[in-house]
Amino acid sequence: GENVEQHPSTLSVQEGDSAVIKCTYSDSASNYFPWYKQELGKRPQLIIDIRSNVGEKKDQRIAVTLNKTAKHFSLHITETQPEDSAVYFCAASITDKLIFGTGTRLQVFP
Amino acid sequence: DTAVSQTPKYLVTQMGNDKSIKCEQNLGHDTMYWYKQDSKKFLKIMFSYNNKELIINETVPNRFSPKSPDKAHLNLHINSLELGDSAVYFCASSWGNDEQYFGPGTRLTVT
Repeated sequence: GENVEQHPSTLSVQEGDSAVIKCTYSDSASNYFPWYKQELGKRPQLIIDIRSNVGEKKDQRIAVTLNKTAKHFSLHITETQPEDSAVYFCAASITDKLIFGTGTRLQVFP
Repeated sequence: DTAVSQTPKYLVTQMGNDKSIKCEQNLGHDTMYWYKQDSKKFLKIMFSYNNKELIINETVPNRFSPKSPDKAHLNLHINSLELGDSAVYFCASSWGNDEQYFGPGTRLTVT
């Protein structure tokens, strides 16, 4: 069935360290993979996305990698800062909708 | 200007009541969505409309009835509210299958 698995569910890092969040998806037809950041009490906001014709995309301190063969994609945040603390969701497109992962709560300690 | 707006922001009501949540987007998008986010933060799609036509209807109880009067609006009416309906409901919009923009959410509490 339609499924996106996300790990870890919680992640604590020291300021300045890197953070990696991993997702796997089930539908080989998925071709769009966005990442959303949701701060406490706020709406999810897109931080980066990648399409299936690209293996890697970078935007300043964040990057996403995609392995279509293995059906997994990852979010990498370098030089983490306290304001990176939030819940991060991966998602994969399946026909006309997005299926979201279960979220990762990232805490960055100063 | 707010891109995707929802009203109300908070809704507290008793079991058995009927309530509506409204959503409006001024981005010119052709697709709008309703999501439910439960206490564990799981984001699950409920409905999707494209050019006022229903295209996604997940396994949602028929007490939930969406309505899209035009491309810029998608409302959600809920009949006979139950305790399990308590959640944050997010509206979102997109152009086709591109980036989805979320509204600020409506926190529904059923007592």
